[in-house]
Amino acid sequence: GDSVTQMEGPVTLSEEAFLTINCTYTATGYPSLFWYVQYPGEGLQLLLKATKADDKGSNKGFEATYRKETTSFHLEKGSVQVSDSAVYFCALSVSYSSASKIIFGSGTRLSIRP
Amino acid sequence: EADIYQTPRYLVIGTGKKITLECSQTMGHDKMYWYQQDPGMELHLIHYSYGVNSTEKGDLSSESTVSRIRTEHFPLTLESARPSHTSQYLCASSDPGQGEETQYFGPGTRLLVL
Repeated sequence: GDSVTQMEGPVTLSEEAFLTINCTYTATGYPSLFWYVQYPGEGLQLLLKATKADDKGSNKGFEATYRKETTSFHLEKGSVQVSDSAVYFCALSVSYSSASKIIFGSGTRLSIRP
Repeated sequence: EADIYQTPRYLVIGTGKKITLECSQTMGHDKMYWYQQDPGMELHLIHYSYGVNSTEKGDLSSESTVSRIRTEHFPLTLESARPSHTSQYLCASSDPGQGEETQYFGPGTRLLVL
């Protein structure tokens, strides 16, 4: 079945460090891939997305490339800030002829030290 | 900016009380969802709706019920709250007409049942 596996947290980094949060997926169709972010006390917000192979999503200095050959969508940022501390969710959505569904990973908590 | 609202944001109630968590969106989205988010952060889909008068149970069994009488409104009801219902509840909506399932989340309701 369709699934998303992401790096377990918590991840703790110093400010200005390089960030990678790994995400791999299994899907029977041709999924769209997403990263959502949840700041403390809030709901999830879309961070970036990619709808087909080799697409790169980017936003707020974060990037992720849709890699079909490795079924991955790793999240990266070159220099993290304290304000990036949040929980990050990888997700996929697959559309079928009569329905569609979205599947979330289990979330990765990121803490950035000043 | 997503226009999806949840009330109340926080709720503390006693066991056995009936409660309704409100969710409204002004984007005209057909699909709406309720997730339960446990302290470990993982999201569990408990209900969803494809449109007016359509409701379905999600992946996680829940004692709550939902209704969808109007497109913009998707309330969740617990007839008799118990401490095991203590959790954060997130409402979301999406527009499958866009070809993929970007979800827009409300800020969440944090429920504590004593």
